[in-house]
Amino acid sequence: GAVVSQHPSRVICKSGTSVKIECRSLDFQATTMFWYRQFPKQSLMLMATSNEGSKATYEQGVEKDKFLINHASLTLSTLTVTSAHPEDSSFYICSARAEGGSYNEQFFGPGTRLTVL
Amino acid sequence: AQKVTQAQTEISVVEKEDVTLDCVYETRDTTYYLFWYKQPPSGELVFLIRRNSFDEQNEISGRYSWNFQKSTSSFNFTITASQVVDSAVYFCALGRGAGNMLTFGGGTRLMVKP
Repeated sequence: GAVVSQHPSRVICKSGTSVKIECRSLDFQATTMFWYRQFPKQSLMLMATSNEGSKATYEQGVEKDKFLINHASLTLSTLTVTSAHPEDSSFYICSARAEGGSYNEQFFGPGTRLTVL
Repeated sequence: AQKVTQAQTEISVVEKEDVTLDCVYETRDTTYYLFWYKQPPSGELVFLIRRNSFDEQNEISGRYSWNFQKSTSSFNFTITASQVVDSAVYFCALGRGAGNMLTFGGGTRLMVKP
């Protein structure tokens, strides 16, 4: 099956610093990747849709200047949490869409747990 | 707008009991996909099943079975003879396409006690 990786798996940072999270499709090309956020004991909420070579589409209520998304290649999308604060502490999960003709399916990464002190 | 409701936030059963996790969805689309995922404590989502809106056949996979009822907009998940390893949070999700963004339900935390 298709594999999606995320790096780092866990990060702890000080308030005010920026953190970059990478999402890679290891064995397929993904023109579209999705970024979800999951607060403790809550569901996954879509933050943004990342499209290779173009600007990301953000969901309502998600600050695009705070959560910078770059999808520079068909196998890599990055999410940068700028000037992170404790309320940004969450589990960030990406998924990548594998496409081929009329078939498309998405595969989830293992997630990145961000803790902001 | 799409919406998924998992009314049961937590379920506790004793090993070997059968348990059904409910999922009710709302969508205006005529074509859509429904999913179930398992999220163990590690956090990684484990894909369990995908079903498209045109296929109402129930499915069985080992101890797992799914009941898709379009008439009631439900896609329920049953675990037969539950085991401790089934303890996890289970999410039902809805998407416009298999590769499109998903709307997740609130999740059901299943605790299977020995």
